Amino acid sequence: DGGITQSPKYLFRKEGQNVTLSCEQNLNHDAMYWYRQDPGQGLRLIYYSQIVNDFQKGDIAEGYSVSREKKESFPLTVTSAQKNPTAFYLCASSITGIQYFGAGTRLSVL
Amino acid sequence: DAKTTQPTSMDCAEGRAANLPCNHSTISGNEYVYWYRQIHSQGPQYIIHGLKNNETNEMASLIITEDRKSSTLILPHATLRDTAVYYCIVRGTMEYGNKLVFGAGTILRVKS
Repeated sequence: DGGITQSPKYLFRKEGQNVTLSCEQNLNHDAMYWYRQDPGQGLRLIYYSQIVNDFQKGDIAEGYSVSREKKESFPLTVTSAQKNPTAFYLCASSITGIQYFGAGTRLSVL
Repeated sequence: DAKTTQPTSMDCAEGRAANLPCNHSTISGNEYVYWYRQIHSQGPQYIIHGLKNNETNEMASLIITEDRKSSTLILPHATLRDTAVYYCIVRGTMEYGNKLVFGAGTILRVKS
């Protein structure tokens, strides 16, 4: 089936640790996005990429990093510099302006 | 991005039409209105979008006023599975990255 796969579904981070969230799509979409959602809030854009080997900061990029080495993959690393990482992370890809979302990764701090 | 205003929450009886309003009084000529919904603990799902004409698909209808300052999403026969947060988003076609700006949305509760 075509779609967007995020893994893992749940992730726990220890103090000072970097963790990487996976996002893979087989929709052949050029553009991919990472959003963060806090409880009861809307989504906030972290990073986005329009094409392989290119990405742009969103509204809340501090403490996060991304790479886009392949069209299908857009991993997000939550670094130790992100002091409040507990949130629901959503990956999306788009074509013609419509974004399609994965099921999300819920990150918690131990 | 143009700002949108939605009610915080709404209730609807199962089987009845759910009408979700959205105000976007500062919308500009090249900006589309998009609707997404998010069922609890899942990723958002695209519903429908439009520029100025009314639109209909298998999920919903979108009615945009003639002055484009407001719109209404209509779910014709709401079911319990339609309980979700509904987001109205305005976005221009020329924005780099096709970014979407999500507000707090409307919590729709469908009740039996």
